[in-house]
Amino acid sequence: AQSVAQPEDQVNVAEGNPLTVKCTYSVSGNPYLFWYVQYPNRGLQFLLKYITGDNLVKGSYGFEAEFNKSQTSFHLKKPSALVSDSALYFCAVRVVSSNTGKLIFGQGTTLQVKP
Amino acid sequence: DTAVSQTPKYLVTQMGNDKSIKCEQNLGHDTMYWYKQDSKKFLKIMFSYNNKELIINETVPNRFSPKSPDKAHLNLHINSLELGDSAVYFCASSQGSWGQEAFFGQGTRLTVV
Repeated sequence: AQSVAQPEDQVNVAEGNPLTVKCTYSVSGNPYLFWYVQYPNRGLQFLLKYITGDNLVKGSYGFEAEFNKSQTSFHLKKPSALVSDSALYFCAVRVVSSNTGKLIFGQGTTLQVKP
Repeated sequence: DTAVSQTPKYLVTQMGNDKSIKCEQNLGHDTMYWYKQDSKKFLKIMFSYNNKELIINETVPNRFSPKSPDKAHLNLHINSLELGDSAVYFCASSQGSWGQEAFFGQGTRLTVV
């Protein structure tokens, strides 16, 4: 079955420290991978995506993610966390359904950045 | 300008009622979606339309009926509301349904009492 997993419900980081939010996937064929962020009582905002090309993808707000085909992972990273980065983060993968694509989301990881 | 807008933002209604949620996008996208986010924040796709044509219909009860009058609008009508329908419903749009990211609306928090 095609799926995406975020193994951590919550990640706690001190402000200024690097952060990593983990994501692994299971799809047939080449994966299209995405990261979204959701602030409280808001919709999802697109951060970055991997379609093809360079394994290191840079996105909004200083975030980046590394595609690792052998480990089927697409971890989200940021060199120096900000308190304002505290939010709910979703990894998603585009999968085939009825000859079209649909986004399947991971369970979400709450990032808490403490001052 | 709001790219993907949903109305209403909050909806409280009694069991058994029928309600609609409206969605409009001004991005010129050809594909629109409805997602449901449950109390545990889990997101699941419900429907997808491409140029007014239904292309994805997940295992959603028949009480849920999407309608797309044109490619900029995708409404969701729910009949005979049940307690379990309480959730946040998100509309989204994208250009195509593959490599392009989806843009999400602010969500409609539906509470059935």
